[in-house]
Amino acid sequence: AQSVAQPEDQVNVAEGNPLTVKCTYSVSGNPYLFWYVQYPNRGLQFLLKYITGDNLVKGSYGFEAEFNKSQTSFHLKKPSALVSDSALYFCAVRDQAGTALIFGKGTTLSVSS
Amino acid sequence: GAVVSQHPSRVICKSGTSVKIECRSLDFQATTMFWYRQFPKKSLMLMATSNEGSKATYEQGVEKDKFLINHASLTLSTLTVTSAHPEDSSFYICSARAAGQTYEQYFGPGTRLTVT
Repeated sequence: AQSVAQPEDQVNVAEGNPLTVKCTYSVSGNPYLFWYVQYPNRGLQFLLKYITGDNLVKGSYGFEAEFNKSQTSFHLKKPSALVSDSALYFCAVRDQAGTALIFGKGTTLSVSS
Repeated sequence: GAVVSQHPSRVICKSGTSVKIECRSLDFQATTMFWYRQFPKKSLMLMATSNEGSKATYEQGVEKDKFLINHASLTLSTLTVTSAHPEDSSFYICSARAAGQTYEQYFGPGTRLTVT
């Protein structure tokens, strides 16, 4: 069965510092991996995805994520955090045979000024 | 492009009544739509997957008679919460996948349901 783990409920960083939001996954076969961001009382906004190709994926708003097959991880990163990056971040996975996305529990990112 | 809308954005209903939530793909044809439920500060739980013109496929533990899903056209799916109870109060989010696409899902803004 597919699963996604986001081990941190909350990540706190100071503005201007690099940030990392962790995600590990379990899926049979090759994974399709996604990151979404959610602002309060809003739907999900797509940040980036890994399907195949380069392990380092660049996405919206300066975010990037690195696919690591041996560690089954897909951590979200940004070199310099902004206060406006404060939100709830979801990692999601889908296997090649599946249709729906399976989401992690979410990580709240709080960027302080 | 690829905009998904939901209506209403917020709804309050009395216990025992039914409420319908609409999910529309505004600028593309959605062959598959998904309905998720999100509890406060919790992840999204997939409720069901619906393909246009077919019966929805419900996830384990989701009552199909309580959460009626209809996907009658390529741009509209509806979720009807029947005989709503306070424990049905939640944030319901739909997403849609366009015809011919494999990976992308586009999410609606969500509907906040409160059952009193």
